[in-house]
Amino acid sequence: GAGVSQTPSNKVTEKGKYVELRCDPISGHTALYWYRQSLGQGPEFLIYFQGTGAADDSGLPNDRFFAVRPEGSVSTLKIQRTERGDSAVYLCASSPGTGVYGYTFGSGTRLTVV
Amino acid sequence: DQQVKQNSPSLSVQEGRISILNCDYTNSMFDYFLWYKKYPAEGPTFLISISSIKDKNEDGRFTVFLNKSAKHLSLHIVPSQPGDSAVYFCAASLNGGATNKLIFGTGTLLAVQP
Repeated sequence: GAGVSQTPSNKVTEKGKYVELRCDPISGHTALYWYRQSLGQGPEFLIYFQGTGAADDSGLPNDRFFAVRPEGSVSTLKIQRTERGDSAVYLCASSPGTGVYGYTFGSGTRLTVV
Repeated sequence: DQQVKQNSPSLSVQEGRISILNCDYTNSMFDYFLWYKKYPAEGPTFLISISSIKDKNEDGRFTVFLNKSAKHLSLHIVPSQPGDSAVYFCAASLNGGATNKLIFGTGTLLAVQP
């Protein structure tokens, strides 16, 4: 597609459940990023993929969070045993490669843990 | 520890006048700075950037100024238009672009009054 697509746009889940958030980057973009934006805050870096590999996962808050990009295109962010503090907008972005700073964000997935 | 700070949560400006949005940072190793604009329910959109070796970058109505000695940057929009009403995020990059990870400020809500 023309832009970065994220699904679902909204997700409500119960505390303790497992969720998967999907990101479909711009075709041909090798770099993919996940950010999390909590209420009243700016986006916070979670993980960066270059191709299929996670080049930097230093922003993942704990081992309940995991992300994959098996074929170097679509990525899935997985959250186990969700907690109410995980409620946020999860943003995905892609860019043509390293060193290209103005990358393109998707509209995000609003996750609410009740 | 907030490395990128936007101390004004909101700003209101009359249409046609200049809007000045400010951003301060603490890490002198940041090598690139960017401004993003965000409308409700959309992802952030890249607006303009500046390398740490420059002190000014201009693109149409938008100009970014960088003062490294003061660790301060600002975004000037002139003339302001009602369509500019959005949340503006300042962001900074580290590591010479190796991961292109961005550190965002908390944002400033700009309201341009007709």
